[in-house]
Amino acid sequence: DQQVKQNSPSLSVQEGRISILNCDYTNSMFDYFLWYKKYPAEGPTFLISISSIKDKNEDGRFTVFLNKSAKHLSLHIVPSQPGDSAVYFCAASSLNAGKSTFGDGTTLTVKP
Amino acid sequence: NAGVMQNPRHLVRRRGQEARLRCSPMKGHSHVYWYRQLPEEGLKFMVYLQKENIIDESGMPKERFSAEFPKEGPSILRIQQVVRGDSAAYFCASSPTDGELFFGSGTQLSVL
Repeated sequence: DQQVKQNSPSLSVQEGRISILNCDYTNSMFDYFLWYKKYPAEGPTFLISISSIKDKNEDGRFTVFLNKSAKHLSLHIVPSQPGDSAVYFCAASSLNAGKSTFGDGTTLTVKP
Repeated sequence: NAGVMQNPRHLVRRRGQEARLRCSPMKGHSHVYWYRQLPEEGLKFMVYLQKENIIDESGMPKERFSAEFPKEGPSILRIQQVVRGDSAAYFCASSPTDGELFFGSGTQLSVL
């Protein structure tokens, strides 16, 4: 039973446009959500997070939205840049964000 | 401030041999986590350690796998009698608290 799902394995957008990456979860105990970005041959790097008491968190070009009733979160990147091309992992946790349940990732390609 | 250091980057073992993966957390970080990533999948939590203590090993296979984080020196993930199914990328991460993770570049284990 996969508790965190990223249903789109890949996404391709044009430079300057918005990228929207989606993530669904099933465990209602999750109360902290994170997005990580991963380049080939490197470890994931933390991007942005949101706790369940909020429905939006913004950091520069990156915004994460949380819809608790739908158990859905999304990451918006605007404007998208070619350097954003990477695999994006959604992760969810309860109590300890270090012990997170990860989705399988979405490969984002931003075309110049 | 060096990041999380993992070595080796690549490790090749024959079936039945032992694999030892090392991880030095970021300076000042007392929480260490090990994750495994199989091809085309997300990261799966294995174990959470603090100095000299295993806090949560719920993601570790019951046999052949062990982890330690001694008072001095790096954290070690040890896999005895490796099998082909152990081939994966093993990521270590550290955190100053139980917040977001800082990942190393991973060890790619290949079992022949």
